[in-house]
Amino acid sequence: AQSVTQLDSHVSVSEGTPVLLRCNYSSSYSPSLFWYVQHPNKGLQLLLKYTSAATLVKGINGFEAEFKKSETSFHLTKPSAHMSDAAEYFCVVNKWGAQKLVFGQGTRLTINP
Amino acid sequence: EAEVAQSPRYKITEKSQAVAFWCDPISGHATLYWYRQILGQGPELLVQFQDESVVDDSQLPKDRFSAERLKGVDSTLKIQPAELGDSAMYLCASSLRNSPLHFGNGTRLTVT
Repeated sequence: AQSVTQLDSHVSVSEGTPVLLRCNYSSSYSPSLFWYVQHPNKGLQLLLKYTSAATLVKGINGFEAEFKKSETSFHLTKPSAHMSDAAEYFCVVNKWGAQKLVFGQGTRLTINP
Repeated sequence: EAEVAQSPRYKITEKSQAVAFWCDPISGHATLYWYRQILGQGPELLVQFQDESVVDDSQLPKDRFSAERLKGVDSTLKIQPAELGDSAMYLCASSLRNSPLHFGNGTRLTVT
């Protein structure tokens, strides 16, 4: 069975400093991995996806993530945080071809001025 | 950009009452999903449709929840009777085959 573990329930950074949101996955198959962002009282928006092509994936709003099979990790990073990045972030795994997403518990990102 | 439409945005109901949510997916998206998101947790799949057929409802509490997508386009999720533990955000999503999901803004349900 597929699963993801988000290692931090809450991350707080200052505006202009780097962001790191950690995610480890478990999958018996070659996984598809995603990061979604959710702003308060909104639906989820896709930030980026990994589907076995390049291991470094670039997404929207300056975010990127690196797939590391040896570490079973898919951490999300951004070089410089912006106030508008404050939101809940979800790491998601999908069994290839199954279209059945399994969400992590989420990481709440707070940006300090 | 096309969006998944959901209504209502907010719903307050008393326990034991019936409640219904509506979702209109992006045009052309054959796959439609209903997720439940309890406060502080990630979304969990309730039901998945491919066109008008249910392909996964293993996590749907069928004694009180029902979902339909009669013409393979829009969908309704119903709860009867509602319980206090049903308070959550109900998210609808749609997708093309093997493509990322597009989510609506959700319906926040409060059961009193």
